[in-house]
Amino acid sequence: EAQVTQNPRYLITVTGKKLTVTCSQNMNHEYMSWYRQDPGLGLRQIYYSMNVEVTDKGDVPEGYKVSRKEKRNFPLILESPSPNQTSLYFCASGGQGANEKLFFGSGTQLSVL
Amino acid sequence: QKEVEQNSGPLSVPEGAIASLNCTYSDRVSQSFFWYRQYSGKSPELIMSIYSNGDKEDGRFTAQLNKASQYVSLLIRDSQPSDSATYLCAVNWGFGNEKLTFGTGTRLTIIP
Repeated sequence: EAQVTQNPRYLITVTGKKLTVTCSQNMNHEYMSWYRQDPGLGLRQIYYSMNVEVTDKGDVPEGYKVSRKEKRNFPLILESPSPNQTSLYFCASGGQGANEKLFFGSGTQLSVL
Repeated sequence: QKEVEQNSGPLSVPEGAIASLNCTYSDRVSQSFFWYRQYSGKSPELIMSIYSNGDKEDGRFTAQLNKASQYVSLLIRDSQPSDSATYLCAVNWGFGNEKLTFGTGTRLTIIP
């Protein structure tokens, strides 16, 4: 089954404790992206990647890191989480870029205390 | 900063009527436009994509694009209770820019 898998589904952590949210797709997609969704602000793009070792900033990259060492995986890293990073995070992938259909993971609800 | 704007709603429409959702965007040279539907607690899923001026129909859904006026709309005919969701407009700015910017979404409620 074609899918984008995010883990974990829920995560509660404390300020400053490094964490990684994993994202994996099995559709051989070139394009992968991370979004955060907050009430009243909608989906905002954090980072995206066009291919292995190619990543670029979205609209809200501060406080986040990503890597794309393999085509299928695109982890999101918060090296020193802060409470303002409490949010619902979505990973998405698409065939060849942002001008095509995106497939979204089921989301990760992160709470930073 | 390139922006995508939507009326947040909520928009209430009687069952069987036409629901009309609107979206405006800030950059005239934008290339690709999308409507995603998001049910409460779920992830977004693509409903329609449109790339050129005019109308594009898919079943009960019609997307309309007017690049000169910088707006894109989604019409849902014969609205059903299952159409109750938040509808997200998204714009790809194109020309090598692989960002995809979403509006804040319009919450639609279909009243039986």
